[in-house]
Amino acid sequence: EAQVTQNPRYLITVTGKKLTVTCSQNMNHEYMSWYRQDPGLGLRQIYYSMNVEVTDKGDVPEGYKVSRKEKRNFPLILESPSPNQTSLYFCASSGRGDTRNQPQHFGDGTRLSIL
Amino acid sequence: AQSVTQLDSQVPVFEEAPVELRCNYSSSVSVYLFWYVQYPNQGLQLLLKYLSGSTLVKGINGFEAEFNKSQTSFHLRKPSVHISDTAEYFCAVREGNTGFQKLVFGTGTRLLVSP
Repeated sequence: EAQVTQNPRYLITVTGKKLTVTCSQNMNHEYMSWYRQDPGLGLRQIYYSMNVEVTDKGDVPEGYKVSRKEKRNFPLILESPSPNQTSLYFCASSGRGDTRNQPQHFGDGTRLSIL
Repeated sequence: AQSVTQLDSQVPVFEEAPVELRCNYSSSVSVYLFWYVQYPNQGLQLLLKYLSGSTLVKGINGFEAEFNKSQTSFHLRKPSVHISDTAEYFCAVREGNTGFQKLVFGTGTRLLVSP
């Protein structure tokens, strides 16, 4: 089954404690993205990757890092989480020719609470 | 810069009634337009898209949308809603001349269908 898998689904942690949210897709997609969803703000792009070792900032990259060492994985790293990063996070992927490369496959989300 | 406005944060409707969810965008160039649906505790699914051609676009689950260039709108409609249509709906736009995955989402409209 084609899917984008995020882990963990839920996490409560404290300010400053480094954390990583993993994202893996099994569709051999080139393109992957991270979004955060906040009430009243919709989804905002954090980072995206066009292929292995190719990443770029989205609209709200501050406080986040990503890496793309393998095609299937695109982890989101919060080196020193702060309460304003409490949010619902989504990973997405798409392949070439897939509605003009727009994300069609979303993970189920990761709800992060930073205390 | 492109932006997307979904004026209605919440739309209550009775089952089997018609519904329209409004979306307006601002862009000075050609755009690609999308509607996504998010069911509770799930990621986003693509409902339909407008890339070019016919301005009336049909999607999954009986939804359709009409692209109106002069009014810069892309409203989503369904002639008869079902309880299972209760979800949050996001309009998104990508400018034709921007790079990959520069998708901008609206703030979402929650559709509440009651018996």
